This record gives sequence, structure tokens and C-alpha cells, in this order.
Amino acid sequence: AQRVTQPEKLLSVFKGAPVELKCNYSYSGSPELFWYVQYSRQRLQLLLRHISRESIKGFTADLNKGETSFHLKKPFAQEEDSAMYYCALTSPQGGKLIFGQGTELSVKP
Amino acid sequence: EAQVTQNPRYLITVTGKKLTVTCSQNMNHEYMSWYRQDPGLGLRQIYYSMNVEVTDKGDVPEGYKVSRKEKRNFPLILESPSPNQTSLYFCASSFRAVNTEAFFGQGTRLTVV
Repeated sequence: AQRVTQPEKLLSVFKGAPVELKCNYSYSGSPELFWYVQYSRQRLQLLLRHISRESIKGFTADLNKGETSFHLKKPFAQEEDSAMYYCALTSPQGGKLIFGQGTELSVKP
Repeated sequence: EAQVTQNPRYLITVTGKKLTVTCSQNMNHEYMSWYRQDPGLGLRQIYYSMNVEVTDKGDVPEGYKVSRKEKRNFPLILESPSPNQTSLYFCASSFRAVNTEAFFGQGTRLTVV
């Protein structure tokens, strides 16, 4: 079964520190992976997806098929990065966007 | 402005009283879906629709119904709400089912007492 696991419920760092939000997945086939972000009192929005291989707001994520991971990284965290982050995967049938449990990132001044 | 609109944003109701949460998108998207968000469980899909008159169950469909009579609208119906359906609900739409960005509504916080 397809599954996305985010092992950390809460990640707290200081401003300027590096950040890595972990995401592991189980999938049979070629996965389509995404990171969504939900800022306080706002709707979920796409942060980035693995096929585009772009950096958004300083965040990057590399798909590691050997380790079945898609960790989200940023070298220097900012206070405005504080939010809930969800890793997600599209199922092979295309009918589902499967989310992980989410990681709350708190960046302290 | 391209967006997904849900109504109402907040709702408190009593057990057994039928309710409908509306969802509308103005982007001509084919694919729409409903999720519930619960602490520690992330977002779980309730139902989805590939196109008009085409709907299918997600991971947690029990107690919910949907319809897709028009491309832009995808209402979520709770025929007989129960307290375990107290949750934060999100509607989402995308151009197609795979490999495209999903656009989310602002959420509906439902409390069933």
C-alpha cells in the first residue's frame, strides 16, 4: 500500500539554523512527490514537487529512490518559515493525493 | 482570482441533523476531492471526483456522500452527522488527477455535538 511517513510531529529550530523535515514513502512504481505548506490560518498550498527540481523560498527536496525518501531542506531557517508542512504522494491510479501526518516547524528568533 | 471556495467556514451542529458543505472552483478543473484533517493523522481523503458525474471513495468515506453534477461544484453531504465527524474539512481541485498542483479551499471547521 502507498504510504507517506513524516516521523517528526514538531521540529523546533533557531533562526539561521539549517532545517531538514523528513519524509519517507512506500510506493510501487515511479512516485510523484510533493511538499505542501500550511501557514497559520491559511489554506494549504504547494511548496514544491520533485519533478520540477526547483527551489522555493530557499527550500529544496531531493527524491532518493534507494532510501525512499523526499526530505525537505533549507540551509538557513527564517521565522516566517514557521508552519505546518505536509509531504504527499500521488497514487498510481491518480485518484488520491496521499498525505503524511505533517510536521510543525517552529523557527525561534 | 483563481480559487477554491468552501462554505461555511465554521459550523456547529447536532447529531443526526443533515448538513452540506459546499465547494466551488473557478479554474475549470476536472479533479476535485475532499479531505479531513485530524491531529496526528494528517489529511485523509474522503471522496474524489475525476470529472462530472464521476466520483469514488477515498480512504475514509463512511458517513459521507458527494455529488458532481457540475464541473465547478463538489458538495460534501453528511446525512446523519455523528461526533466522530468533528474535524477540519478541506476541499481541493486540480487540473487533472496526477502530477499537478492541488488548490485547496480555506477549510470548514465542523463540530458535531
